[in-house]
Amino acid sequence: DAKTTQPTSMDCAEGRAANLPCNHSTISGNEYVYWYRQIHSQGPQYIIHGLKNNETNEMASLIITEDRKSSTLILPHATLRDTAVYYCIVRVRNDYKLSFGAGTTVTVRA
Amino acid sequence: GAGVSQTPSNKVTEKGKYVELRCDPISGHTALYWYRQSLGQGPEFLIYFQGTGAADDSGLPNDRFFAVRPEGSVSTLKIQRTERGDSAVYLCASSPSGRGASYEQYFGPGTRLTVT
Repeated sequence: DAKTTQPTSMDCAEGRAANLPCNHSTISGNEYVYWYRQIHSQGPQYIIHGLKNNETNEMASLIITEDRKSSTLILPHATLRDTAVYYCIVRVRNDYKLSFGAGTTVTVRA
Repeated sequence: GAGVSQTPSNKVTEKGKYVELRCDPISGHTALYWYRQSLGQGPEFLIYFQGTGAADDSGLPNDRFFAVRPEGSVSTLKIQRTERGDSAVYLCASSPSGRGASYEQYFGPGTRLTVT
């Protein structure tokens, strides 16, 4: 059973913010939200993770709702190089497996 | 520094043949993972090594699949009597530790296996 639900695809204009939603309504208290992305013909790449507080790094920001049932990954200024499949993953912090769903195919257009 | 490398990048083999796929993890990473990715799907977990031992091989689809990591560094995924359904991209990842720490998995570019 999928633990997360993401839209199949979305488009974004270059230079604009891309907001990628993820639903994880059955998330447990000890589960984190992780985001990875996979550019065509490459392996997945870690982006960011969080538990309940909002997080920001050099790649993106992660906004988690107060009830933790959903989150949004924000790419503040999308570039053509951000075109990729983005995976939202729920995972216990010390669990070694990553359980990928189908992800969201994000296409950044000039 | 060098990332995770996988060889070959592409492998075409005939049904019934034996293949080996190699993974060189990031130096010093004790944890190593294999995943398989079919077209249009996300990667699926196959096996996890902590050091030399396979800590979890529950994702291996059947006994035709086997993986080793004899010296705790390089790993080889071995597939016997290949079938057309084995065609996929095989991804390897490594991380500094398997459990108990906030860490990310670093993935290699994958090996595309095509069974004809």
